[in-house]
Amino acid sequence: GAVVSQHPSRVICKSGTSVKIECRSLDFQATTMFWYRQFPKQSLMLMATSNEGSKATYEQGVEKDKFLINHASLTLSTLTVTSAHPEDSSFYICSARVPGLAERGTQYFGPGTRLTVL
Amino acid sequence: DAKTTQPNSMESNEEEPVHLPCNHSTISGTDYIHWYRQLPSQGPEYVIHGLTSNVNNRMASLAIAEDRKSSTLILHRATLRDAAVYYCILRDHAGGTSYGKLTFGQGTILTVHP
Repeated sequence: GAVVSQHPSRVICKSGTSVKIECRSLDFQATTMFWYRQFPKQSLMLMATSNEGSKATYEQGVEKDKFLINHASLTLSTLTVTSAHPEDSSFYICSARVPGLAERGTQYFGPGTRLTVL
Repeated sequence: DAKTTQPNSMESNEEEPVHLPCNHSTISGTDYIHWYRQLPSQGPEYVIHGLTSNVNNRMASLAIAEDRKSSTLILHRATLRDAAVYYCILRDHAGGTSYGKLTFGQGTILTVHP
């Protein structure tokens, strides 16, 4: 199946700093990627939809100035958590919609990035 | 979005079949039924999807009720590696830039006993 990678897999940072998370589609081109956040013992919550070459679409309640998304190429989307605070500590997961299966909405997910803000 | 209802948890013994139910009484005519699973500390993994007919792949089978208001994911022989949270999701078929986004519910926690 299609492979999606994330980097880093785990990051610890100090409060007030910014953290960038990369999401790459390794063997296919993804015009659309999605960013999710998952708190402990909870389900995934969609944060935003990332479209190559255009602005991301954010879900209600997600601050677009805090969670900056850039989808500059067909294989890379980045999520930058700006001025991170302890409440931003979470598991961040990206996914990509695979071309050819787009009509059926199948997505392939990255392994996730564990962010801990001290 | 049309919602799905799943049991919070289920248990199975290794090498026995597992039937994971999902109710989606408000499903619309063009909603696809997707199943994903998430192992601990990993991203979700695609399992199977279908529209009206039953589907089989190497991982599982999907049985869809004739009225499409419910479906069942079938693992034919559970292994310890199948222990995960299983999500039944109806694909959002709205148009626009968020086309195809998935809305995750709480899912079913499957425990497999040796």
